[in-house]
Amino acid sequence: SQELEQSPQSLIVQEGKNLTINCTSSKTLYGLYWYKQKYGEGLIFLMMLQKGGEEKSHEKITAKLDEKKQQSSLHITASQPSHAGIYLCGADISNNDMRFGAGTRLTVKP
Amino acid sequence: NAGVTQTPKFQVLKTGQSMTLQCAQDMNHNSMYWYRQDPGMGLRLIYYSASEGTTDKGEVPNGYNVSRLNKREFSLRLESAAPSQTSVYFCASSGISRSDVLYGYTFGSGTRLTVV
Repeated sequence: SQELEQSPQSLIVQEGKNLTINCTSSKTLYGLYWYKQKYGEGLIFLMMLQKGGEEKSHEKITAKLDEKKQQSSLHITASQPSHAGIYLCGADISNNDMRFGAGTRLTVKP
Repeated sequence: NAGVTQTPKFQVLKTGQSMTLQCAQDMNHNSMYWYRQDPGMGLRLIYYSASEGTTDKGEVPNGYNVSRLNKREFSLRLESAAPSQTSVYFCASSGISRSDVLYGYTFGSGTRLTVV
């Protein structure tokens, strides 16, 4: 069963626009990971959040974990074609068992 | 380059055939995993190995077997392939050091399997 709900399922934006992807859990998250996947490739680690209210940024990507630690958002500022891909959130539900959201497919139109 | 290596990258099988997917990591990680990825389903855990010599079922283990050959290698076997096993398979590994936990899992590039 899916532990994490991601929205939207897909997103098409014009280059230069901002966008947000959400990841929601019905249970408290003790470690929330964001990954990016390009077609035909594995998952590349983006960021990891652990504390309620935590926010991390890398280049134009910012991830936040809410105070209740049940929802995380990934925000991309001034999107570029290089941001295109599938974004997945993952969370440990127990030792050695990370569950993933279904992913958000991002297309950035030049 | 350090990381997780999977072979093969692509495979087509006929229903009923068997095959083994190979995975090796060179990061000295204790834990290794096999996931399958299907459209709209995200990644689902098939089996994992917390340490050399141990394996455990994940969310969708039916139709698969695994072997943790040594600390580096973790293979996934399909004894009698079925069309429902058409998917992209990912191997991953993780460690217990502080930096390992911060970076989560390291994934291979995947095996695209089609069963006809």
